[in-house]
Amino acid sequence: GAVVSQHPSRVICKSGTSVKIECRSLDFQATTMFWYRQFPKQSLMLMATSNEGSKATYEQGVEKDKFLINHASLTLSTLTVTSAHPEDSSFYICSANRVSQYFGPGTRLTVL
Amino acid sequence: GQQLNQSPQSMFIQEGEDVSMNCTSSSIFNTWLWYKQDPGEGPVLLIALYKAGELTSNGRLTAQFGITRKDSFLNISASIPSDVGIYFCAGQLNAGGTSYGKLTFGQGTILTVHP
Repeated sequence: GAVVSQHPSRVICKSGTSVKIECRSLDFQATTMFWYRQFPKQSLMLMATSNEGSKATYEQGVEKDKFLINHASLTLSTLTVTSAHPEDSSFYICSANRVSQYFGPGTRLTVL
Repeated sequence: GQQLNQSPQSMFIQEGEDVSMNCTSSSIFNTWLWYKQDPGEGPVLLIALYKAGELTSNGRLTAQFGITRKDSFLNISASIPSDVGIYFCAGQLNAGGTSYGKLTFGQGTILTVHP
């Protein structure tokens, strides 16, 4: 299957700082990538659709100014959590389409 | 957001037993996908179904795309300890075999296999 990577795998930061998470499609080009958030023992919830060369599309209830998405190339999308707070602590997962949708390994964000 | 109705929520079985789980939706999808997620990792694609009525196997796994396009099931035969994990169904609206649409996920089925 297709390979999607994420970096970092885990990050701990202080409240008020910003954190950038990278999502890369390693062996294919992806015009569309997706960002999900998952709380413990819950399913994945779509946050936004990242479109190469254009603005991201955010799901209802997701603050676009807080979760900045940039899809600057066909193999890289980034999610920046700005002014992070403890309630932003979660497992963030990206995915990319190559016929089917393939997921990255996830990034565990802990905000102190 | 919308979620699929996935059942059962959890299963405790003995090694060697067969497992069955399913997903239903009030709306139709063009693609059904089944994923397995281990703790602290991203979901891994197990089976993708693109046509209503399609029955697809991947080793000990078998999945079917319901004829109404509103449901799908996943069967695991002769379970082994490494089958432990959370299984998610996902529905996708897309055209043909290319998938550019968003996924709608089920709540997940937590599978525990006792040796």
